[in-house]
Amino acid sequence: GQQLNQSPQSMFIQEGEDVSMNCTSSSIFNTWLWYKQDPGEGPVLLIALYKAGELTSNGRLTAQFGITRKDSFLNISASIPSDVGIYFCAGRSGSSNTGKLIFGQGTTLQVKP
Amino acid sequence: DTAVSQTPKYLVTQMGNDKSIKCEQNLGHDTMYWYKQDSKKFLKIMFSYNNKELIINETVPNRFSPKSPDKAHLNLHINSLELGDSAVYFCASSQDLITEQYFGPGTRLTVT
Repeated sequence: GQQLNQSPQSMFIQEGEDVSMNCTSSSIFNTWLWYKQDPGEGPVLLIALYKAGELTSNGRLTAQFGITRKDSFLNISASIPSDVGIYFCAGRSGSSNTGKLIFGQGTTLQVKP
Repeated sequence: DTAVSQTPKYLVTQMGNDKSIKCEQNLGHDTMYWYKQDSKKFLKIMFSYNNKELIINETVPNRFSPKSPDKAHLNLHINSLELGDSAVYFCASSQDLITEQYFGPGTRLTVT
């Protein structure tokens, strides 16, 4: 089945540092979404990308839809302690009209004050 | 106002029991979903409904039966619970089948 490879699996950084994580797919996607999940909560949508090459920002977060449509990255600038959590990429196949999202394995981010 | 809500938040039950989880969205969306998150935090879709019609049944055992009484609700009933059903179950909704999905807070199911 379709899979998303998300990396890195975990990151431990110092407050103020920039963070970068990415997802790659073996097949073409027409939608990329980035979510953050805090402990005991549901995933919260951060950024949605619908066009190849699209670069979108949400505050200190920036995400890009790869030009090949097989990858996406998320950058967080000047990290703060509340950035701690699990970040998930999710993609929807170009051939899917079922609403099905495929999720990456998640990147666990820890920020040291 | 809570956009996507689920009840209960926690559910502890014994093997063989039948239980239900309720989900409601007040976003006016046409599409709703159930996802399962395992102990390794991997999220996998179980069902999707569009305008109360089942679109996806992602090889889920027929012990799991979703029911959508109207577009704002998608409930999940589970029969004959097994130990392997222990997980966090998330409801989600979207405007349609191609737009972004919004998740509820989750229901942590523990089967003993």
